[in-house]
Amino acid sequence: SYVLTQAPSVSVTPGKTATFTCGGNNIGSKSVHWYQQKPGQAPVLVIYYDGDRPSGIPERFSGSNSGNTATLTISRVEVGDEADYYCQVWDSSSDSPVFGGGTKLTVL
Amino acid sequence: QLQLQESGPGLVKPSETLSLTCSLSGGSISSTHYFWGWIRQPPGKGLEWIGSIYYSGSASYNPSLRTRVTISVDTSKNHFSLRLNSVTTADTAVYYCARLRVGALFDDWGQGTLVTVSS
Repeated sequence: SYVLTQAPSVSVTPGKTATFTCGGNNIGSKSVHWYQQKPGQAPVLVIYYDGDRPSGIPERFSGSNSGNTATLTISRVEVGDEADYYCQVWDSSSDSPVFGGGTKLTVL
Repeated sequence: QLQLQESGPGLVKPSETLSLTCSLSGGSISSTHYFWGWIRQPPGKGLEWIGSIYYSGSASYNPSLRTRVTISVDTSKNHFSLRLNSVTTADTAVYYCARLRVGALFDDWGQGTLVTVSS
């Protein structure tokens, strides 16, 4: 089955840029979606189809995907961005969704 | 505005069956554009897809859980359900229901419900 690899944690100071990576074999050929999950809450879609933002998601959130790595970038990080971030793709070989292990963002 | 709400027992004994229902409001489960899915999250861990179902009743499951899982849909009640047999403490988790765009992403989630497996 398809495996997505994410770093366990990322730390950043307010106002700086946070970068999250999601690794997978030729992930650039797939569409990647990103979810934000704050403590005690359900995940929320923040980026879909590599780089599109749902309505209500700030422009500070952006995404890209190429080769073996997809990237979520949060510019001008705020304390309120502190959360776990998960990437997800559709694995066509198993016809099922696959999640990465998640990355915890700490805003120092 | 679609809302999904999970309901069911918060405590299940080992070897018994976990049963949850996800009720929809503000939208129809019979939409041709979506599947409906269950995802779980053990305490302190990541997200695990359990399975998904189309309004027609066609379902798919995570291979790791396939032998124990059944997902069903009731279009007359606008809800879908999860049954997980022979549970162990490893099945303790927050269980979420969510709307799944066909072949793609989960764009709406319920608030989640904690199910604890314990005697």
